[in-house]
Amino acid sequence: QKEVEQDPGPLSVPEGAIVSLNCTYSNSAFQYFMWYRQYSRKGPELLMYTYSSGNKEDGRFTAQVDKSSKYISLFIRDSQPSDSATYLCAMVTGSNYKLTFGKGTLLTVNP
Amino acid sequence: DAGVIQSPRHEVTEMGQEVTLRCKPISGHNSLFWYRQTMMRGLELLIYFNNNVPIDDSGMPEDRFSAKMPNASFSTLKIQPSEPRDSAVYFCASSLPDRGVEKLFFGSGTQLSVL
Repeated sequence: QKEVEQDPGPLSVPEGAIVSLNCTYSNSAFQYFMWYRQYSRKGPELLMYTYSSGNKEDGRFTAQVDKSSKYISLFIRDSQPSDSATYLCAMVTGSNYKLTFGKGTLLTVNP
Repeated sequence: DAGVIQSPRHEVTEMGQEVTLRCKPISGHNSLFWYRQTMMRGLELLIYFNNNVPIDDSGMPEDRFSAKMPNASFSTLKIQPSEPRDSAVYFCASSLPDRGVEKLFFGSGTQLSVL
């Protein structure tokens, strides 16, 4: 079993839709959870970063962590064409440099 | 700040040739990472430097790969000799730890094609 599993998609939604992106993981030692957004021909950029379980909101984006189920989600409200990108989850154990990335989900938001 | 700067953006070379990829990290960041991204394997960590010292090179595929960081503002990743299976996007990232966790800032990558 891979440490981090992420559905590669592609996911195509109309503008204004609510988008749900998900990752599952197997290593219970992961403590920090991140979402990176990667536009075509660009490097990943950190979108959100959470520690432990619960929700974190930043504008139209909400990151959710359920440690008991080893499941993390990123919700995008009122999705925009500019949200079209690949979204990668990443996680790491405490005080560690080695992020474990999912392979990414390709999202297209159609105007 | 200009962010992490990588060069070249694209590199096309023939099998057996030496390839050198370059990276300028964000000023003040004391950690530097080289990653490789492919469709099959996703993002893979190749090597991690802290304060210019290589800390973890366990991800370097084989002896054909080498990386250096002669000072805080410059790093290189060299492949010699290159092979077609090295074709990928190579990313450099720098970071400053935030409460013990590295928040990575990536460059735009070098698209390498080995023919």
